[in-house]
Amino acid sequence: DSGVTQTPKHLITATGQRVTLRCSPRSGDLSVYWYQQSLDQGLQFLIQYYNGEERAKGNILERFSAQQFPDLHSELNLSSLELGDSALYFCASSVAPVTHEQYFGPGTRLTVT
Amino acid sequence: TQLLEQSPQFLSIQEGENLTVYCNSSSVFSSLQWYRQEPGEGPVLLVTVVTGGEVKKLKRLTFQFGDARKDSSLHITAAQPGDTGLYLCAGRRSGGYQKVTFGIGTKLQVIP
Repeated sequence: DSGVTQTPKHLITATGQRVTLRCSPRSGDLSVYWYQQSLDQGLQFLIQYYNGEERAKGNILERFSAQQFPDLHSELNLSSLELGDSALYFCASSVAPVTHEQYFGPGTRLTVT
Repeated sequence: TQLLEQSPQFLSIQEGENLTVYCNSSSVFSSLQWYRQEPGEGPVLLVTVVTGGEVKKLKRLTFQFGDARKDSSLHITAAQPGDTGLYLCAGRRSGGYQKVTFGIGTKLQVIP
């Protein structure tokens, strides 16, 4: 158990819909990262927050957005969902904004039908 | 093209055999991590290497960082079924703030 929690574990929704994925970092960690993992693309970095502020952006689509709240939990919002958005979404956390090591949550499996 | 190329992509071996998987790049990394991921779960950090030529051991797993900090290898001695999983390398490039980049992984199956 990494100490990072993610909800929900599974999500099935239809194209065009909007969903919110939630992540709570390990106790004491200020930085949260979001990743998308699909079979053909591997683990793709989406976005990083540190202590409530956006720190780095990766391959995140404009239809996706995220935020980190004062209690340090984070939410990833996915809108206008497409079939290709079906994937595993992972949250990871770390103590510092620039660090060697990240601790991953168990992931949310999103299926868009 | 992946920044970090992992090989082989798939490996199926018998219990007790030795194996080596590789993580290669043309870029220099300030640090490199290895993770293991089991189906339906998040990656779990195994090791971090930061110095060129560094070797770290974790029980039957030996990790090496290349002298030029562009590549790394993971050697498993006497593989066990519990070693089955997806092995991911991840690196942070040198120079300012750089995000961590993951390789696509090596899928290892150890057959009892």
